[in-house]
Amino acid sequence: EVQLVESGGGLVQPGGSLRLSCAASGFTFSTWGMNWVRQAPGKGLEWVSYISGTTTTIHYADSVRGRFTISRDNAKNSLYLQMNTLRAEDTAVYYCARGYPIDFWGQGTLVTVSS
Amino acid sequence: DIQMTQSPSSLSASVGDRVTITCRASQGIRNDLGWYQQKPGEAPKRLIYAGSGLQGGVPSRFSGSGSGTEFTLTISSLQPEDFATYYCLQHNSYPWTFGQGTKVEIK
Repeated sequence: EVQLVESGGGLVQPGGSLRLSCAASGFTFSTWGMNWVRQAPGKGLEWVSYISGTTTTIHYADSVRGRFTISRDNAKNSLYLQMNTLRAEDTAVYYCARGYPIDFWGQGTLVTVSS
Repeated sequence: DIQMTQSPSSLSASVGDRVTITCRASQGIRNDLGWYQQKPGEAPKRLIYAGSGLQGGVPSRFSGSGSGTEFTLTISSLQPEDFATYYCLQHNSYPWTFGQGTKVEIK
């Protein structure tokens, strides 16, 4: 059974940093591209970033480029999102999502940026 | 960036109704589009891939059509468990973009 379990969310002050993790199981993680997608409270979905299985291809949304860094550790079946210089508008549930295109989603982790 | 215009933003329908949701792309995206269903408090779930491919395990009352710039998601006979918000997602070029969502409510 495919599972994606996000962790690392929480409350952080504006300008702060946070690192999200996504633990994958039930499939050959290293052969799949992976994504982060976020959803602000009461709002729609916003694609954030993509990384290929071999890490040779990485893309970011304009809204996070230069502040967020996506990475993965295939030996640990894990995906990460390092988020720096956080802003109030980054407040959202962050979903880890498998595939190019996306075919499966984790349950999400809430990030709240507030003083 | 490719803009995805989804309509309507919400609709009220009854069990058994036929429901159609549309996504229009600001430029041609071939059939690089998926449809997702999201229920409150849950993660999205893919219903349709490549414009018209039915995801495994998804009921056949869901169907997708279209190519290029116009796409539709149709629910042939709305069921109680179908009340949710639906999103399209284009993956033709980065940044990937979602439609604004369509909330399907009970009439």
